[in-house]
Amino acid sequence: NAGVTQTPKFQVLKTGQSMTLQCAQDMNHEYMSWYRQDPGMGLRLIHYSVGAGITDQGEVPNGYNVSRSTTEDFPLRLLSAAPSQTSVYFCASSYSRAGRSSYEQYFGPGTRLTVT
Amino acid sequence: EDKVVQSPLSLVVHEGDTVTLNCSYEVTNFRSLLWYKQEKKAPTFLFMLTSSGIEKKSGRLSSILDKKELFSILNITATQTGDSAIYLCRQGAQKLVFGQGTRLTINP
Repeated sequence: NAGVTQTPKFQVLKTGQSMTLQCAQDMNHEYMSWYRQDPGMGLRLIHYSVGAGITDQGEVPNGYNVSRSTTEDFPLRLLSAAPSQTSVYFCASSYSRAGRSSYEQYFGPGTRLTVT
Repeated sequence: EDKVVQSPLSLVVHEGDTVTLNCSYEVTNFRSLLWYKQEKKAPTFLFMLTSSGIEKKSGRLSSILDKKELFSILNITATQTGDSAIYLCRQGAQKLVFGQGTRLTINP
């Protein structure tokens, strides 16, 4: 099992450019989520999904879109990158029941994004 | 809205000391509280606590939950330089929300 994979590992964007961060998991987890982590900070929830076709906003959703067309994949789209989106992005997945997950999350290795 | 607050935000101690990290939470439907350790990369799971007053232990690390007072503590005894990391606690069942983390530095 590969677990949770993320691509790319590093990315530099210019202000205004768009891009998609990829996340995939092979554990058949219904629950997936995206976090950003700024220097010296904890993880802040951007968006999450409780299953294919269902997504919802987290704590800091502005400037990001997500979709969940399959159980395995949960891409994060930056529509028009801004310097404030410079951060490390983590994707995570976990087992869930009825749309709720109080279980351990498995994290991808992260994507380090710099917006100039 | 569900909220998690950790304290202290930063802690520097000497090797061999014992440390206590705090996590308090406000949540509408409690399910569990989880602790993670983050070194240079992604967080790794330490403990999941669901019942009040029951200590979870792994080596020099232990954690306990108080559901009445809405907090949890993580204890590390006989600290080593390898314990230097950010320690995160997580709450929630639908929106999985983390605290700001405690950055622990162990000096030799």
